Formats: sequence, C-alpha cells, structure tokens
Amino acid sequence: DAGVIQSPRHEVTEMGQEVTLRCKPISGHNSLFWYRQTMMRGLELLIYFNNNVPIDDSGMPEDRFSAKMPNASFSTLKIQPSEPRDSAVYFCASRVQGASTEAFFGQGTRLTVV
Amino acid sequence: TQLLEQSPQFLSIQEGENLTVYCNSSSVFSSLQWYRQEPGEGPVLLVTVVTGGEVKKLKRLTFQFGDARKDSSLHITAAQPGDTGLYLCAGALDTNAGKSTFGDGTTLTVKP
Repeated sequence: DAGVIQSPRHEVTEMGQEVTLRCKPISGHNSLFWYRQTMMRGLELLIYFNNNVPIDDSGMPEDRFSAKMPNASFSTLKIQPSEPRDSAVYFCASRVQGASTEAFFGQGTRLTVV
Repeated sequence: TQLLEQSPQFLSIQEGENLTVYCNSSSVFSSLQWYRQEPGEGPVLLVTVVTGGEVKKLKRLTFQFGDARKDSSLHITAAQPGDTGLYLCAGALDTNAGKSTFGDGTTLTVKP
C-alpha cells in the first residue's frame, strides 16, 4: 500500500488566491483527518470525517476554510481566499475508525502564502 | 489552553544518555498514543496505551500510562542519534473518542 497520499507537496500562492489541498487515504480506512502544523501552534486538528461524513469541524479556523470528502478515496481542503497567516504544513491522516487504532499520516503539504 | 502539556519542549543530550519526556493533562483519556516525527515527514505511531498503569516497551523505549489515564511518559535508554526527532503525544478523550488531540511535542536532539 502506498500510504496516505497528499498533493501537492509544496504550494506557494499569493494572498487572496484559492488553494486546494488533496488527500487520498489508505484503502479500507474509514476515518480521515486534516491537521495543520505550525511552530507557534503545533499540530491542530481542523476537521475529521467518518465514512465520508464530517463529524467535527470545530477546528476549522474560519469560513475561508472548507473540506469535502465526496467518496471514500478522496478528500480536499480548500482555503478561499488565502492569507499569509495560513502558511503552514497541512497533514492528512487516515485510520480504521476507533480511538486506539493507528493513524497514518501523509507527508504533508507545505503551504506558503505571500 | 493546551489540553495536553508536553515537557520539556526541547531536549539536547549526548549519545548514550537516558531521558524522559512527559505528557500531562487534567482530562481523562480513553487511549493515548506517542508519535515520532522527522523533518519533512508526517508523524509515525510508536505506541498506543489504553489501560491505566500500563507499561509498554519498544526496544530502548519505555512508555507508561498513568493510573488515572491523565498522563504518560516516554523513557529512552542509551539514546542514539537516530532517536532525534519531534515526539508527540496524542490523546482521545473518554467523551469524544473519535478524535485525538496532540500535545505541542518535545524536540529531541541526540548528539554523537
């Protein structure tokens, strides 16, 4: 299995532009998580899905952020419009649903908004 | 307010030394996990503990879950440069076991 696949690995965009981050979870995993990591705030959970349904989006910072999971093998995180303070590494993780099961992380997307 | 407090935030030691990092909270967790993250990569799971007082060993790493399931520790014996990385604890609350919250991490540097 190729693991969790995120694209792009790096994204540089201008303030105000729309940014879309993509994630392909591991086949058979039915929970998917989007995290943001910065030096200041550490690893923050933005939103998670169970069986393609958003369960908790309380970590989404603003209405500029939105996430979708149209099917079991694909999810997107969109920022529109982007701002410099959105610069961070965004991770997607997937696991079999359950508190003690292992979450597998992708390699992340490093987003820079200038 | 951070749900999980990790200490120390940074730790730099010589090869061969022992060390302990801590993960503390006032909340009770149904399970707690430790991850290690290297630069440019996502976190990778080291261990999951679910029972209060549980101790798990992974080669030179020893993990302990507090009796009250509010805290955990990671002890590394005879640290090696390959142990260098960011160590993160993540807990799932009894009241919301579907998601895990991460601590800020301990950045460990082991010098040869």
